Amino acid sequence: GAVVSQHPSRVICKSGTSVKIECRSLDFQATTMFWYRQFPKQSLMLMATSNEGSKATYEQGVEKDKFLINHASLTLSTLTVTSAHPEDSSFYICSAIRTDGTDTQYFGPGTRLTVL
Amino acid sequence: QKEVEQNSGPLSVPEGAIASLNCTYSDRGSQSFFWYRQYSGKSPELIMFIYSNGDKEDGRFTAQLNKASQYVSLLIRDSQPSDSATYLCAVNVPPGNTGKLIFGQGTTLQVKP
Repeated sequence: GAVVSQHPSRVICKSGTSVKIECRSLDFQATTMFWYRQFPKQSLMLMATSNEGSKATYEQGVEKDKFLINHASLTLSTLTVTSAHPEDSSFYICSAIRTDGTDTQYFGPGTRLTVL
Repeated sequence: QKEVEQNSGPLSVPEGAIASLNCTYSDRGSQSFFWYRQYSGKSPELIMFIYSNGDKEDGRFTAQLNKASQYVSLLIRDSQPSDSATYLCAVNVPPGNTGKLIFGQGTTLQVKP
């Protein structure tokens, strides 16, 4: 199978601090990873596309200076929420594409961020 | 605006029945279609994908695609209480093969013992 991990699974921080979330593809290489945000009882909202070795592509309305994405290797992408505020509290989920011809996205387990 | 539409439900079926989940999409250029299952508080897990018109079966699950009608469905046979979850339909965003997906809002399925 295709395994994607995320760390941490849950984080609580104070308003104004920065939080880094890691997304790793454990048994395959991923040139492309995606970051999503999901609020309660809503569907997944794509935030950005993370491309290994190049700048991330952000969706309309997502502040790139607030949500910093780094995809430094074929197995790791990080999302840093800078100067977090309570409205940033959400479930953040990454996915990675397994380039096996199907281009299927496999999701990490998610990170629940609570900003106090 | 590209859209993927699903009935939010809840869809309630008795144990052992067939659950039918439906999804429509707006962009005729879409070529890849996915069904994910999401349990409350968890991330989505892939059930199956379909690219060609017709049916694709995998165990108790059958995906059906009709590109002319821009319609994709998921049938779950012999539904079990453990199938109770939210089912997300996802469609690729053309053009090209970026892997980018648009998700529907999901249909909540309740399987009652």
